[in-house]
Amino acid sequence: AQSVTQLDSQVPVFEEAPVELRCNYSSSVSVYLFWYVQYPNQGLQLLLKYLSGSTLVKGINGFEAEFNKSQTSFHLRKPSVHISDTAEYFCAVSDVANFGNEKLTFGTGTRLTIIP
Amino acid sequence: NAGVTQTPKFQVLKTGQSMTLQCAQDMNHEYMSWYRQDPGMGLRLIHYSVGAGITDQGEVPNGYNVSRSTTEDFPLRLLSAAPSQTSVYFCASMLGLQTEAFFGQGTRLTVV
Repeated sequence: AQSVTQLDSQVPVFEEAPVELRCNYSSSVSVYLFWYVQYPNQGLQLLLKYLSGSTLVKGINGFEAEFNKSQTSFHLRKPSVHISDTAEYFCAVSDVANFGNEKLTFGTGTRLTIIP
Repeated sequence: NAGVTQTPKFQVLKTGQSMTLQCAQDMNHEYMSWYRQDPGMGLRLIHYSVGAGITDQGEVPNGYNVSRSTTEDFPLRLLSAAPSQTSVYFCASMLGLQTEAFFGQGTRLTVV
């Protein structure tokens, strides 16, 4: 079964500074990888996803992530953050060969706080 | 489009009471799931369904039942509420595991 680790529960960053949110996964098979964002008192919405192909994927709001198979990582980055990026960010994984294991598994989340 | 609709938004239950959280989607998605969100624990999968008539357990299924009689609806039943079930519950639907999951706005449940 797959699992996701987000080591940083909280990340404070000054406005206009760069940020990296870390995500590592484990799975015995190939995976699909996702980043979701949750603004206060709302449901989750998709930021970006990796299915196959280019290991650098770009998402909404200027975010990007890089898939690194050898390090089993999918870190999220943004070169310059804005106050509006304050939210909780979740990494998620599902197995490509998923028969009998059709699950989307989430990490514990990273709370990003932007400091003015 | 309504997307994924969850009702109610807020609910307070007494220990031992039962209730059903409703979830409906209008996107003709086969895959639906229920998660609970607790501080520091992220989203944990309770039950999921890959189509009408098919359900399976997730990570934390105890104390919850589901059924999927139609593609659109996926209700979550709490059989006998316990304080440990105090949480925010999210329903999600997607076309397939490689596609975007659409979430409802959540149900904040308090069991006293």
